[in-house]
Amino acid sequence: GAGVSQTPSNKVTEKGKYVELRCDPISGHTALYWYRQSLGQGPEFLIYFQGTGAADDSGLPNDRFFAVRPEGSVSTLKIQRTERGDSAVYLCASSLNSHTGELFFGEGSRLTVL
Amino acid sequence: QQQVKQSPQSLIVQKGGIPIINCAYENTAFDYFPWYQQFPGKGPALLIAIRPDVSEKKEGRFTISFNKSAKQFSLHIMDSQPGDSATYFCAASMAGNTPLVFGKGTRLSVIA
Repeated sequence: GAGVSQTPSNKVTEKGKYVELRCDPISGHTALYWYRQSLGQGPEFLIYFQGTGAADDSGLPNDRFFAVRPEGSVSTLKIQRTERGDSAVYLCASSLNSHTGELFFGEGSRLTVL
Repeated sequence: QQQVKQSPQSLIVQKGGIPIINCAYENTAFDYFPWYQQFPGKGPALLIAIRPDVSEKKEGRFTISFNKSAKQFSLHIMDSQPGDSATYFCAASMAGNTPLVFGKGTRLSVIA
């Protein structure tokens, strides 16, 4: 498809485990964003990539969270030593260039930490 | 500190009514104000956006009204339909590659 693709759509893990969430942006979009959405809340910014580099990671809650985008396309959000409070929908979005253009969101990866 | 405050939290209107959702912000450096629509199980999708050089923007049945002095903006949906039932988020950002900050959302139900 032509949209932003996220896998897995659902992930259930145990407290303390490591998880990876993948995002495949729209082809040609240089900007990629990760947001986290808890139940009944708006999306909360985590990190933004322009090309391969993290241009702004100020939203990452702590050092258990890390994201990469090695070739400037697919990105992986990595969460170490998961905690129950990490349970949320992790949304990926891409845009043609900067923040003040349209963000195209994927359907999200729902993470449940038991 | 919540940078964009959205109200109401939920809203129920009859088909054909005009729901209005409001947002207020504090940071006067914000210069881009979009509204996103989200259906259950889907990601948010851009509905309409405005910049502070205009006070109103219309796209189809959707209108943004912007009041720069009051630091408020609102979404109006004309002739609302049951298919408009969704959660709506206001957002804001500044020029210079700063991230969008979102409101907490308004769950709209349009009943026939």
